[in-house]
Amino acid sequence: TQLLEQSPQFLSIQEGENLTVYCNSSSVFSSLQWYRQEPGEGPVLLVTVVTGGEVKKLKRLTFQFGDARKDSSLHITAAQPGDTGLYLCAGCPPYNNNDMRFGAGTRLTVKP
Amino acid sequence: NAGVTQTPKFRVLKTGQSMTLLCAQDMNHEYMYWYRQDPGMGLRLIHYSVGEGTTAKGEVPDGYNVSRLKKQNFLLGLESAAPSQTSVYFCASGEQVETQYFGPGTRLLVL
Repeated sequence: TQLLEQSPQFLSIQEGENLTVYCNSSSVFSSLQWYRQEPGEGPVLLVTVVTGGEVKKLKRLTFQFGDARKDSSLHITAAQPGDTGLYLCAGCPPYNNNDMRFGAGTRLTVKP
Repeated sequence: NAGVTQTPKFRVLKTGQSMTLLCAQDMNHEYMYWYRQDPGMGLRLIHYSVGEGTTAKGEVPDGYNVSRLKKQNFLLGLESAAPSQTSVYFCASGEQVETQYFGPGTRLLVL
């Protein structure tokens, strides 16, 4: 079992639709990160959320950290084909603040 | 700045062979990491380093060794490759664990 569970695993939508992907854990995290990875490339950091209940916006992307700091969500408004990619959440478990753990990711496809 | 570079980009090994993957960063980062990425598993941390001359085990360290003799380089070694080590390997570096910059990856196939 993974420390961070992401859902859904796959998501295929039409351009212009809204979507939300989730990252859940039974553990408390001091912070969670969201990365996006495109085929054949390494992940690229999108955002770090630190405070419980925190909401961060990056253009059409909205990231939220759960009040209990055990979960996070990523909402995309009016998705575009350029949003296509693998979205990964990551964080360090409470027992080792250098041991970064990643979720398995949500693979998003936005069709024109 | 080149950022994080990885050598080689692709390699095929036979079971039992050894090899070293090289990661180099030009951002003067203290932290460096080696991950492997397998389908449906996400990235899993193999080893990491919090500074020159230091290394530590991650989630899946067995079968791998690492060295950080110079701050800008982090080497990942496979002493006796096994088919289970077929994967895509990513190196990352950062000033802190929460902010990591990834290289382009090395695809390794072990036959």
